Amino acid sequence: KQEVTQIPAALSVPEGENLVLNCSFTDSAIYNLQWFRQDPGKGLTSLLLIQSSQREQTSGRLNASLDKSSGRSTLYIAASQPGDSATYLCAFYHRDDKIIFGKGTRLHILP
Amino acid sequence: SAVISQKPSRDICQRGTSLTIQCQVDSQVTMMFWYRQQPGQSLTLIATANQGSEATYESGFVIDKFPISRPNLTFSTLTVSNMSPEDSSIYLCSVATSGAYEQYFGPGTRLTVT
Repeated sequence: KQEVTQIPAALSVPEGENLVLNCSFTDSAIYNLQWFRQDPGKGLTSLLLIQSSQREQTSGRLNASLDKSSGRSTLYIAASQPGDSATYLCAFYHRDDKIIFGKGTRLHILP
Repeated sequence: SAVISQKPSRDICQRGTSLTIQCQVDSQVTMMFWYRQQPGQSLTLIATANQGSEATYESGFVIDKFPISRPNLTFSTLTVSNMSPEDSSIYLCSVATSGAYEQYFGPGTRLTVT
């Protein structure tokens, strides 16, 4: 059974700090991995997509990496801001067309 | 990417009634998905809705409870039938681009059943 684990489950950091969110998966036979942001009671906003042939993607202050051999992905947020407070979900696409979501990391940036 | 809208954004419904949720996409897409997110939980796939074929339901979800329509490549509906408080969730539609390996989500419908 494929599983996705996100650590930590919750994180509070002061504004301005750099931080790393972790995502691990048990099945290395993945295709793409996608990071999402979800605000309370809202839908998911796609942040970064790492395709199977890639190792990382960057968008503004966000950088995501993928290491399929170790079954890990990280989302790096630079110079955090209060507006970054949200739940961050990673999801990977399995070869049987299924998408598997982690339970998310609830991030709170302290002003 | 794709721009996705959902209606309604939220609703409070009584037990035993039904609610139909609409999902509209700004471009033609083959694959659309419906998810449920119960309070404090991650997303669970309800069904895959491809235009021109019957929806494919995941284990634990049945057509009588969650009928889905997909009349064209930009629109789909999900009905939550005979609702109970356990159906209180956020319901999300998503679409896939680049095959099935990249999805984009609508803003969700927050359903409360009393």
